[in-house]
Amino acid sequence: KAGVTQTPRYLIKTRGQQVTLSCSPISGHRSVSWYQQTPGQGLQFLFEYFSETQRNKGNFPGRFSGRQFSNSRSEMNVSTLELGDSALYLCASSLEIHEQYFGPGTRLTVT
Amino acid sequence: GENVEQHPSTLSVQEGDSAVIKCTYSDSASNYFPWYKQELGKRPQLIIDIRSNVGEKKDQRIAVTLNKTAKHFSLHITETQPEDSAVYFCAARDGGTYKYIFGTGTRLKVLA
Repeated sequence: KAGVTQTPRYLIKTRGQQVTLSCSPISGHRSVSWYQQTPGQGLQFLFEYFSETQRNKGNFPGRFSGRQFSNSRSEMNVSTLELGDSALYLCASSLEIHEQYFGPGTRLTVT
Repeated sequence: GENVEQHPSTLSVQEGDSAVIKCTYSDSASNYFPWYKQELGKRPQLIIDIRSNVGEKKDQRIAVTLNKTAKHFSLHITETQPEDSAVYFCAARDGGTYKYIFGTGTRLKVLA
């Protein structure tokens, strides 16, 4: 089975712009979670989608949003980018209550 | 709110020695505890996990123990090798919401 994929792998944006990241889960997985990883901050949970519905949400501002499509692919959008949004954004998929597998991440740099 | 504390933040061991990383969780509803290894520039990889109805699980040189009463779980790596050098993350998943909370990571260095 193909693993979790994320596009693009690298992105450079300027402050104030918006960005959309994409995640394709492992075939058959209906849960997709998004995390922000920064040095020293570990993995901060953004949100989780399950069967097109947001099931869990972390403590990020409303500038961070997401959605999931009927094929379980998920997108994450960040509006009005700030310098502090520079990070590695990881998505992970799981088969309902089973193990979670991570994608390679999208490295976002905001200048 | 939910929290997972992980210690130590950095750990250096000599090749062949053992390494132990400890995590403490706050949410009593947590029932699944995975450990991930992240090498530099790579994605986190699931290396071992344990569910709340089990006290210990082993897989070759790695083992995880769980103390539900104390809300502690630990990763044990024996006979460490240079390729074990990485950042290790623990996590706890809430049994009702399925939400994961991660520890802040432990940078393990195995010195040859």
